[in-house]
Order: sequence, then C-alpha cells, then structure tokens
Amino acid sequence: GAVVSQHPSWVICKSGTSVKIECRSLDFQATTMFWYRQFPKQSLMLMATSNEGSKATYEQGVEKDKFLINHASLTLSTLTVTSAHPEDSSFYICSARDGTGRKGTEAFFGQGTRLTVV
Amino acid sequence: DAKTTQPTSMDCAEGRAANLPCNHSTISGNEYVYWYRQIHSQGPQYIIHGLKNNETNEMASLIITEDRKSSTLILPHATLRDTAVYYCIVTRAFWGAGGTSYGKLTFGQGTILTVHP
Repeated sequence: GAVVSQHPSWVICKSGTSVKIECRSLDFQATTMFWYRQFPKQSLMLMATSNEGSKATYEQGVEKDKFLINHASLTLSTLTVTSAHPEDSSFYICSARDGTGRKGTEAFFGQGTRLTVV
Repeated sequence: DAKTTQPTSMDCAEGRAANLPCNHSTISGNEYVYWYRQIHSQGPQYIIHGLKNNETNEMASLIITEDRKSSTLILPHATLRDTAVYYCIVTRAFWGAGGTSYGKLTFGQGTILTVHP
C-alpha cells in the first residue's frame, strides 16, 4: 500500500494559540485529501475535503475560519486549528487517495494527531 | 453515498473465521464497498474493496451478494491483533478523462470485533 505521513503525532498547546498539522503522501500524488476528527469512543467525522490548488470543501457545521486547510502541492495538505480551545481537543486524521489511480482507489490514512488544548 | 448498517459488536475465538456483515441496500451502480479497520488510537487501515465480484487478498475476503445490497467481510483465521473497529463504507470511484474521481469516505459507527483466546 501507499504511505501517508502525518505530523506531529501528538501536540499540547495553550488555549488561544494555533496549531498546524501536516499530512504528506510519500509515494503518490494526492489530488484529494480528507481531514477527519474523532472524539473518544466515537467514529471518524469528516471535516473537509482538500483539493490541490483550490479551496477546501467543508462539511456542514465545520467552521472554515477556525480550521484552515491548505493543499498547496500534490503531496502536502495542512490543517491549522486557529485559536484553539479545550473543546478542540481531539484526534485529527488525514487521508489521501491517488489521483492517478495507480495506487488503487482506496484511501490511505495517516497515523493521526492527538491534539490536547490546555 | 449510500448508507451502511453494521452490528455494533461481535466476538470471535482466536483461530476461527470472523464474518462481519454489512447492509447497503441503497447502493448504486457506480459505488464500491470498502472495508477499513481502526485499531485503538491509530489511523484506519484499508482492508479490501469490491464492486460486485467477490474479492480476496492477503488480509481478508469480501463476499458481495448478487443484488449488491449486502456484503460480508471474512477474516479467515482471526488473531488477537485483529481486535479492532471494522468499518464498511460505500462510495463512488470512477475514472474519467481528468483522472480518477472519488466520493467521500463517510464512516458510520462500525462493528467492534473482539477476538478472544
């Protein structure tokens, strides 16, 4: 399978600060990446779809000004949680799919980022 | 994308086959069935996917009914490491002149599979 690397694996930040999470596809071009959030004992919730070179598409109820997504290249998407608050503490996961189809149609997931806002 | 229904939890004895069902009665012609699993505190792992034919890989087999309204994921010899939440997802995937296009991967609650000694 293909490799998606997410960084950092965990981060602790103070309330009111911003945190950036990176998602990289290491061996394929990801024209589309997805960002998810997962609270304890719950399923993954899709936050937004990130398309290379264009604006992200956010799911209903997700604040685009709070969760800034940038997909500037075919191998990198970033999620910035701005003015983080304790309720933003969660497990954030990215996934990517190969735009060429050579790696198949399945999505590959990063290992996730555990964000704790104190 | 079509919705899926899975049992909340299942148990399986180590070494036995684990058969995880999924209903997707509203699936449409260009939608695939994907299976992923998530081990605690990790990102989901791809297992297998199919359109209408049964599929097998090194991890599992996928049996899709002829009417495509349900499917079963089979782990032939479950081990303790297979304990995880298993998600059945239905989504579009198609190829066009501009490349491969995908629908969203929307996760339901999944099935908590517990493999016990």
